[in-house]
Amino acid sequence: GAVVSQHPSWVICKSGTSVKIECRSLDFQATTMFWYRQFPKQSLMLMATSNEGSKATYEQGVEKDKFLINHASLTLSTLTVTSAHPEDSSFYICSALTGDRGYEQYFGPGTRLTVT
Amino acid sequence: DAKTTQPPSMDCAEGRAANLPCNHSTISGNEYVYWYRQIHSQGPQYIIHGLKNNETNEMASLIITEDRKSSTLILPHATLRDTAVYYCIVGRRGNKLVFGAGTILRVKS
Repeated sequence: GAVVSQHPSWVICKSGTSVKIECRSLDFQATTMFWYRQFPKQSLMLMATSNEGSKATYEQGVEKDKFLINHASLTLSTLTVTSAHPEDSSFYICSALTGDRGYEQYFGPGTRLTVT
Repeated sequence: DAKTTQPPSMDCAEGRAANLPCNHSTISGNEYVYWYRQIHSQGPQYIIHGLKNNETNEMASLIITEDRKSSTLILPHATLRDTAVYYCIVGRRGNKLVFGAGTILRVKS
């Protein structure tokens, strides 16, 4: 149980375009999801906290107009990287909080974004 | 959230127990100790968590000192597939997790 999926697993886009990444909790409802970014050989960096039905809370230094987060249902959160640039190339990972199973966080497999 | 200190890397022989230490001297009373691991190019995998009692599940055991200032994750019989970065994280239940650098565990045959 407690499976989180992400789609796509990898994506290549051109500079200036927007990319949407989906995060789904498959077998539980998640009122809270988190989005992380990881650069090569570095640890995960929290970008934002996404709560179902409300605006996301962004960490300091993360541009909310560039990284749009929508948590429209209890099983789906999306991250849209707008006007992507090569420096946005990274590994994006989401996690979901299992509120009804003890408030543990389970992570998705990640999405590799490459901006050319 | 309290910070944690872990050794940057450790080696372990296949089949032997892997003991990964973590210091969290500033942990507060309502903060849990969580362990996750990340295998290359994958999302982190939940291993175990605890508040003050020792915990065991099918993957590992977590030993927390009585003063809660440090803990040890034990993989009882390490295999090559356990080679990963192991993260010890301290935080309140249901809150965001702040990842540190973790420990690179290399299991060798």
